[in-house]
Amino acid sequence: RKEVEQDPGPFNVPEGATVAFNCTYSNSASQSFFWYRQDCRKEPKLLMSVYSSGNEDGRFTAQLNRASQYISLLIRDSKLSDSATYLCVVNREGGTNAGKSTFGDGTTLTVKP
Amino acid sequence: DAGVTQSPTHLIKTRGQQVTLRCSPISGHKSVSWYQQVLGQGPQFIFQYYEKEERGRGNFPDRFSARQFPNYSSELNVNALLLGDSALYLCASSWTGEQFFGPGTRLTVL
Repeated sequence: RKEVEQDPGPFNVPEGATVAFNCTYSNSASQSFFWYRQDCRKEPKLLMSVYSSGNEDGRFTAQLNRASQYISLLIRDSKLSDSATYLCVVNREGGTNAGKSTFGDGTTLTVKP
Repeated sequence: DAGVTQSPTHLIKTRGQQVTLRCSPISGHKSVSWYQQVLGQGPQFIFQYYEKEERGRGNFPDRFSARQFPNYSSELNVNALLLGDSALYLCASSWTGEQFFGPGTRLTVL
């Protein structure tokens, strides 16, 4: 079993739809959590950090459930430009050791007109 | 401000050769991490360096090595290249926690 697991999709949704991605992680001692976005043949770009209290950035909402070891990303009012692969990322350590991230294999989203 | 830079952008090598990839972090970032990404998978952690000290190593063979210089730039070396080493090699820099990636070096081994 992989340490970080995501539904690979693909998710094909119309513009304006709401879509949710899920991610589970196996190491209960994990310290920090992130969502990254990766466009085809480009580098991953940080979308948002994920906190236990939940956090929102415009149309994007991230949630963390430590008890269930589950992370989610909700995208409201999808735009064509949201089409990308979304990577769930977990760090087992924090501080100056936080650069050892474990990535899921990503969920592919295609938003259609 | 400049982001993370990597060189070269593309590289073609043959089996058995050696390769060196280079990375310059964002100014002020002391941590550099290296990842390998093969098609259809998420990036896999190879090394992390902080203040020139190795802080972690992923599940990669000893053919992979790295170092960090006093200016916090870093090199990743891969010896005795195999076909399976063909991938996008990503460098990320961080202050703490959030990592910022360079554009990657696309390595093809023939």
